[in-house]
Amino acid sequence: DGGITQSPKYLFRKEGQNVTLSCEQNLNHDAMYWYRQDPGQGLRLIYYSQIVNDFQKGDIAEGYSVSREKKESFPLTVTSAQKNPTAFYLCASSATSGSGEQYFGPGTRLTVT
Amino acid sequence: AQSVTQPDIHITVSEGASLELRCNYSYGATPYLFWYVQSPGQGLQLLLKYFSGDTLVQGIKGFEAEFKRSQSSFNLRKPSVHWSDAAEYFCAVANDYKLSFGAGTTVTVRA
Repeated sequence: DGGITQSPKYLFRKEGQNVTLSCEQNLNHDAMYWYRQDPGQGLRLIYYSQIVNDFQKGDIAEGYSVSREKKESFPLTVTSAQKNPTAFYLCASSATSGSGEQYFGPGTRLTVT
Repeated sequence: AQSVTQPDIHITVSEGASLELRCNYSYGATPYLFWYVQSPGQGLQLLLKYFSGDTLVQGIKGFEAEFKRSQSSFNLRKPSVHWSDAAEYFCAVANDYKLSFGAGTTVTVRA
């Protein structure tokens, strides 16, 4: 079964701790993305990567970091510098040729208290 | 910069009635347009997409959308709504492998 997996589904952390969200894909896609979703605000792009060992900031990168050491994996770290980290985080991937349609994982809900 | 507007935050429709969700985009060239659906607590699923050609595109779950360049619109329609269509719907426009999303429209289906 081809697709995108995100783990865990729910994540709880104390304020001041860094936390890493996992995203893995077996679609052989070159591009991967991280979005943050808050109620009534749609999806906002945090980081994206079009190729291994390269990534770019999206619209709301402050307080987040990523790595892309393998084509299949694009983990997102929410650092203690992120002022309001509680949100639903979605990972996606796409081919770099063609229309740019993206395929999404099931998401991780992060709660920081 | 390209952007997407979904004017309706929330729509309530009766089961069996028709549904139309509005989407307006701002983009200089011919856009690549998408509609996604999201059930609560889940990821997004692609309903349909438009690149070029026929301006009426068919998607999954009985949905269709019509691209109207003169109105910069890409409205989503379904002739007869089922209770399982209750979800949040997002319109998106592509630009250099990135997608810009609208704020979403929540659809409630009443019996």
